[in-house]
Amino acid sequence: GQQLNQSPQSMFIQEGEDVSMNCTSSSIFNTWLWYKQEPGEGPVLLIALYKAGELTSNGRLTAQFGITRKDSFLNISASIPSDVGIYFCAGLSGTYKYIFGTGTRLKVLA
Amino acid sequence: NAGVMQNPRHLVRRRGQEARLRCSPMKGHSHVYWYRQLPEEGLKFMVYLQKENIIDESGMPKERFSAEFPKEGPSILRIQQVVRGDSAAYFCASSPGDRYNYGYTFGSGTRLTVV
Repeated sequence: GQQLNQSPQSMFIQEGEDVSMNCTSSSIFNTWLWYKQEPGEGPVLLIALYKAGELTSNGRLTAQFGITRKDSFLNISASIPSDVGIYFCAGLSGTYKYIFGTGTRLKVLA
Repeated sequence: NAGVMQNPRHLVRRRGQEARLRCSPMKGHSHVYWYRQLPEEGLKFMVYLQKENIIDESGMPKERFSAEFPKEGPSILRIQQVVRGDSAAYFCASSPGDRYNYGYTFGSGTRLTVV
C-alpha cells in the first residue's frame, strides 16, 4: 500500500546537536502530522501542519509543510537524551485515512 | 480523563487460536481506527469504525480478521486461527467526530506474539 519515505532511517547524534529529518511522498497531502513513538508505547502527536509553506514550532521542534505539498520536514534543536525514539510523519489521504512514514529512529548520545 | 485504552498490552497465542484485542476510545470520541505495526516498520491502516458501522476496512485482510464497534462497549479486533505472520503491535486510535485533520489519539497498543 501507499507509504511515505522518511530520511534518514536512523541517526545517532551527540546531545546538544540539532537534528533534521524529512518525509517525501509521490502524492499531495492537505494535512501533515509528526508523531513520536517511544519504546513500548503508541505514537504521540507533536505537530500538525495544514498549509503549503507553513512553519510551526512546538518547543524545540519545528516542522514545515513543503511547498509542493509532497514533503515535510522536522527539525529538533539542541537535542537531549529524552528525544530518543522513532519519529513518524503522516499525511492525510482523502478525508480520514492517515498514511504513515517508515520512521526515523533517533538515538542521542549523552 | 483516560486516553485511548487498549487491552491486553501483551498477548501470546499459539498458532490456530483466536486473538481478541480491545479498545476503548477517548471520552467523547466516536470514531475508532485500527493500525498494525510490524517490527521496524511504520503503521499500516487496517479499519475505520464508527458506532455499529464499519466505514472502511480496506486495510484489513479479508480472511480471519474482523472488527466491530458495538453500541455499548469497546471496539474489538478479532483475529481467528492466528499464524506467525500475525505477530505485530496493533494500535487503536480515536478521533472526535469528523475532525480528521486534527489527527488521531493513539493507545499504547497490544503486542501480539504467535508461537
